Amino acid sequence: QLQLQESGSGLVKPSQTLSLTCAVSGGSISSGGYSWSWIRQPPGKGLEWIGYIYHSGSTYYNPSLKSRVTISVDRSKNQFSLKLSSVTAADTAVYYCARGSGDHRTVHFDYWGQGTLVTVSS
Amino acid sequence: SYELTQPPSVSVSPGQTARITCSGDALPKKYAYWYQQKSGQAPVLVIYEDSKRPSGIPERFSGSSSGTMATLTISGAQVEDEADYYCYSTDSSGNHKVFGGGTKLTVL
Repeated sequence: QLQLQESGSGLVKPSQTLSLTCAVSGGSISSGGYSWSWIRQPPGKGLEWIGYIYHSGSTYYNPSLKSRVTISVDRSKNQFSLKLSSVTAADTAVYYCARGSGDHRTVHFDYWGQGTLVTVSS
Repeated sequence: SYELTQPPSVSVSPGQTARITCSGDALPKKYAYWYQQKSGQAPVLVIYEDSKRPSGIPERFSGSSSGTMATLTISGAQVEDEADYYCYSTDSSGNHKVFGGGTKLTVL
């Protein structure tokens, strides 16, 4: 059974960079046909897709966040990471990592981590 | 930017049929997916590609899509089905991945 687990700083100061890692177990991050994704949810609000990376290294980002987002993969550790720069209070959210199935036009998210709350505050 | 529109809330009595709608201009050409999110938990995929049900999802969950509207139907809703439900899809280019605003289902 595939499992994903987020980790990283739960408190980030405004203007700094948010960094999170998602450890994948029960499967290889190098498996073809899947993407590795980040999705967030501000407290009491809905879900927002951030972006994903394919095993090939190709990345796709939400246009509204693209200038601040970097997603990368570490195959040796079977994990992938998110960096979001120049954060503000509006970036406070529960951040989920997830596996995407399907190609770029049909991707959907079938396995999710439990989520980690990141608060942006001084 | 592309948007998917859902009603904020739906309420049914136990055993009744709950229907949650999702409207979007690209739905005639793009699949809809549905996620269930219970309080404090991660979302769970309950319907994919408009009408397919992942293994482990009860048969009372079904999906359909016609024109610009997709519908999640829960036949014989149970108290444990109380949750927020989100539709998900993409715009016509496939580049914008979007979730609907969510629908809070109350079963009481």
